[in-house]
Amino acid sequence: DIQMTQSPSTLSASVGDRVTITCRASQSISSWLAWYQQKPGKAPKLLIYKTSTLESGVPSRFSGSGSGTEFTLTISSLQPDDFATYYCQQYNSAWTFGQGTKVEIK
Amino acid sequence: EVQLLESGGGLVQPGGSLRLSCAVSGFTFSVYATGWVRQAPGKGLEWVSAMSGNGEVKWDADSVKGRFTISRDNPKNTLYLQMNSLRVEDTAVYYCAKRGDFRCGGNDCSFAFDAWGRGTVVTVSS
Repeated sequence: DIQMTQSPSTLSASVGDRVTITCRASQSISSWLAWYQQKPGKAPKLLIYKTSTLESGVPSRFSGSGSGTEFTLTISSLQPDDFATYYCQQYNSAWTFGQGTKVEIK
Repeated sequence: EVQLLESGGGLVQPGGSLRLSCAVSGFTFSVYATGWVRQAPGKGLEWVSAMSGNGEVKWDADSVKGRFTISRDNPKNTLYLQMNSLRVEDTAVYYCAKRGDFRCGGNDCSFAFDAWGRGTVVTVSS
């Protein structure tokens, strides 16, 4: 089974900050990686798929990069609506989610 | 507009059974694989089960194999999850979700989830 490890687990940041979250796979997953945003009490929302393709309607301040085993989600200028928990998910073989990164207000 | 609406959650004793339903609209259900993802209280997301659009292929997480059965009724636009032999550790919000971008090699498929329901709560407790 492929394991996904996100870092950090929690990130404290201010509005306007550039934020980067890392996701590592236990083996190569090519570019089959998605990122989701989840707010308390709500369902996850797809932000990015195939490592770097922005889902329709997602603001361009979100971007994704990487390949193989190391991937990043970057928020170029953090907005108040972006405080949430972010999950990566591999879909190269079955489905595995990272443990999540909570982005909180500094 | 794509919509998914789960129902059927509730409180059940360990060893008991529940059947979850997910009614969908806004897309051609029979074309899209769909799956179930759960989230235990205060925890992260865990994929549970998925099924191809035509119902011919299923994929199950090891944690639920032999206990949970996914099925679908395409004319009724509904996905199901029959959960038997429930354990305390099955307590979670259960989401159904629609296939987005996908990768397939024969029947070995996997995909991102591009639309989610609001979830239904399953509590397993004595």
